[in-house]
Amino acid sequence: NAGVTQTPKFQVLKTGQSMTLQCAQDMNHEYMSWYRQDPGMGLRLIHYSVGAGITDQGEVPNGYNVSRSTTEDFPLRLLSAAPSQTSVYFCASSRGNYNEQFFGPGTRLTVL
Amino acid sequence: AQSVAQPEDQVNVAEGNPLTVKCTYSVSGNPYLFWYVQYPNRGLQFLLKYITGDNLVKGSYGFEAEFNKSQTSFHLKKPSALVSDSALYFCAVRTGGGNKLTFGTGTQLKVEL
Repeated sequence: NAGVTQTPKFQVLKTGQSMTLQCAQDMNHEYMSWYRQDPGMGLRLIHYSVGAGITDQGEVPNGYNVSRSTTEDFPLRLLSAAPSQTSVYFCASSRGNYNEQFFGPGTRLTVL
Repeated sequence: AQSVAQPEDQVNVAEGNPLTVKCTYSVSGNPYLFWYVQYPNRGLQFLLKYITGDNLVKGSYGFEAEFNKSQTSFHLKKPSALVSDSALYFCAVRTGGGNKLTFGTGTQLKVEL
């Protein structure tokens, strides 16, 4: 099993550009989440999904869109990048409630 | 709102000494608590969790955590620290359906020879 994979590892954008961060898992987990990690703030939940076709907002959803057309994939779209979105982004998946989440290696995004 | 707090930004300990990384929680209802570790330039890795049952939870790499309801704490412990334990540690609480987690701000553990 590859676990949770994320692409790209690094990305630099200019303000106003759009892009999609890819996330895939091969563990048949129904739950998937996107977090951003900023210094001194821990991880904050952006969006999450409890299954294909079902998504919901987390703590900091503004400026981001998600969709979940398959169990395996959960892409995160930045609609119009802003410098405040400079961060490290982590995707995670889990099987059911109360179970541990498995994290991807992260995408480091810089918005100029 | 469910939350966790990690009062120490950094903890320094000598190799071979016991270590404690502190976490306190604020929840309505039963707490479901987790510890994760992050090594440099890596994603988070699960260490252990408390759902119900024994107050002393054993996890990966020799770590354990003590759940204390009266003090609303869930401190991470290890009897004998290793230099390789140096990393960033996060406490987290489940905050709703979909296995949503709210994380603390993290504690940097440095184990020195």
